[in-house]
Formats: sequence, C-alpha cells, structure tokens
Amino acid sequence: QVQLVESGEGLVKPGGSLRLSCAASGFTFSDYYMTWIRQAPGKGLEWVSYLSRRGNTIYYADSVKGRFTISRDNTKNSLYLQMNSLRADDTAVYYCARMSSSWNYFDYWGQGALVTVSS
Amino acid sequence: EIVMTQSPASLSVSPGERATLSCRASQSVSSNLAWYQWRPGQAPRLLIYGASTRATDVPPRFSGSGSGTEFTLTISSLQSEDFAVYYCQQYNAWPPLTFGGGTRVEIK
Repeated sequence: QVQLVESGEGLVKPGGSLRLSCAASGFTFSDYYMTWIRQAPGKGLEWVSYLSRRGNTIYYADSVKGRFTISRDNTKNSLYLQMNSLRADDTAVYYCARMSSSWNYFDYWGQGALVTVSS
Repeated sequence: EIVMTQSPASLSVSPGERATLSCRASQSVSSNLAWYQWRPGQAPRLLIYGASTRATDVPPRFSGSGSGTEFTLTISSLQSEDFAVYYCQQYNAWPPLTFGGGTRVEIK
C-alpha cells in the first residue's frame, strides 16, 4: 500500500535551518508529482511547495520563497524540504503529499512532521 | 489567489444524522474541487475529487456536489469515525493550491 513517512522534525531557533525528508513506498515514486503542505497550530492548511516528477518544475508559496528548497531523489524514493532562515511563523506540522496522476489534488498524505521555531 | 471559505466552522451532529458542509470559492473553480478528512493521529484522507467523485474505499454515505463557486459535502448518516475536521481544496488555478479553513464535525 502507499506509504509516505516524514522525518527530520524538531525544534530550531529563529534563523536556523532544518531538513525534512519523506520516504515513499508502495508506488513508483518517479511517476508522481509531490508536494509539501503545512498546518500551523490552530490554523488551516497551507500549500508550501510542488515538485514535478523529474524535478524540473518547482513552485513555492510566497511565504517560503527564497528560504525553502524542495528536492527529490527518485533513486531513493525520497522527497526533501530544506528550510533555511526559519521564522516563528514557520512553526507547523509539515505533510508530504502525493499528487494524483490525473489532476492537482492530493491522493495520499503522510502523518506529518512537527517543526517548531522558537528561541 | 483563489480564496476558499468553508461554513460553518463547526457543526454538532448526532450519530445517524445528516451533516451538510459548505465550501465557497472566491471565483469559479469549475469542478476542480477536493474534500479531505482529518482525524487526530491519522494521515489526512482524500474523500472526494472532481467535486463529486468518491475516492477509493470512501463509503457511499459521503457525497459531494456543486460547481463553479458553491460546493457541498454531505455525510448522509454520521458514524463515529466520521467525527473529524473536513477541508475543501481547489485545484483549478494555481499556484497556489488553496484550502478552506475547515469544518469540525463534533458529536452532539
């Protein structure tokens, strides 16, 4: 079955960096577009970033542009999110999600990784 | 950016009753709308895509309707496992992909 498992969560000081990973299994990872989505405490969902199958098309939310970098390694069935210059308002649970092969909704999600930015 | 607005923010329903959740888009998204279920401690789950198509293994008590700017998710007879938070998401025009603020369905 399809599984997405995030790792790399933790506590980081403002201005610091953290790298999240998402290990995919149960499907051909290289056939799918992938995304990161986050949910701040008590808030709704915010789409963060999108990466095409071969990594040649990338989009970011304005709130993270220039600070976050999405990438993938299809040989390792893994998705990554490098987060730099972290701010308190980046505190959230970060979800890795697979995009449907037919259109741009999310058909499978991980359980999330908590990132806390605090001094 | 297309803004998605869900109502009500929370809904108290007795088991076995019907729940009706609404989602409105700030401009037309055609039928490019999905619904998701959030249960504590579990990965979010896709329920509906294309405004009205149930995802794999989603029971028929869940139904979606609407197009353009007005959408509805109906749960015909609430079961205990249906008490959760529900989000709509548009994918007609992006980036960014945008979500509604969510509706919490609680036990009455």
